[in-house]
Amino acid sequence: NAGVTQTPKFQVLKTGQSMTLQCAQDMNHNSMYWYRQDPGMGLRLIYYSASEGTTDKGEVPNGYNVSRLNKREFSLRLESAAPSQTSVYFCASSITGFYGYTFGSGTRLTVV
Amino acid sequence: GQQLNQSPQSMFIQEGEDVSMNCTSSSIFNTWLWYKQDPGEGPVLLIALYKAGELTSNGRLTAQFGITRKDSFLNISASIPSDVGIYFCAGHLYVYNQGGKLIFGQGTELSVKP
Repeated sequence: NAGVTQTPKFQVLKTGQSMTLQCAQDMNHNSMYWYRQDPGMGLRLIYYSASEGTTDKGEVPNGYNVSRLNKREFSLRLESAAPSQTSVYFCASSITGFYGYTFGSGTRLTVV
Repeated sequence: GQQLNQSPQSMFIQEGEDVSMNCTSSSIFNTWLWYKQDPGEGPVLLIALYKAGELTSNGRLTAQFGITRKDSFLNISASIPSDVGIYFCAGHLYVYNQGGKLIFGQGTELSVKP
């Protein structure tokens, strides 16, 4: 199925470990986004990439880095994981936000 | 920053009942969108609205783009168990020097009593 693919689906990390969440889309979308979802907090934007070669901070960027590897792929890196980063992470993409975003199925991350 | 106020935050309803939820904002949006998130999945687009006053239906779902462009509502008629999930509104606006942005509401968690 065409869409946004996120890997892994589940991950448990120890405090201080690093990892990269992968995201790829096959819809030729220009823009890509990383969100985190916590109970009662809705969707909070971490970083976004309006087009290949550009990245910008969102609402909650601290503790994260991103790479727009090419038009298809946008990765999110946690350099030193903290328990506060336990969350569900969603990647999304769009041609233009005017028509909405397409979301992946999420990565459930637990930091112990 | 821009805020969307979505209400109610949660609701328990009897199967067969109608459901109504809404979003309001201090900002004027040029698009209103409604998403549904099933448990364990990502949000999926249900309805998109592009003109003030527009009323759009998708099966048992009906949504409207408010005349002031600062609000939208979503109605679900004759609810069924598979309507369970979290419903998000989202508004799109252009921000000077930042381009287009999609702002999400906090979500309405819908639970249906069998």
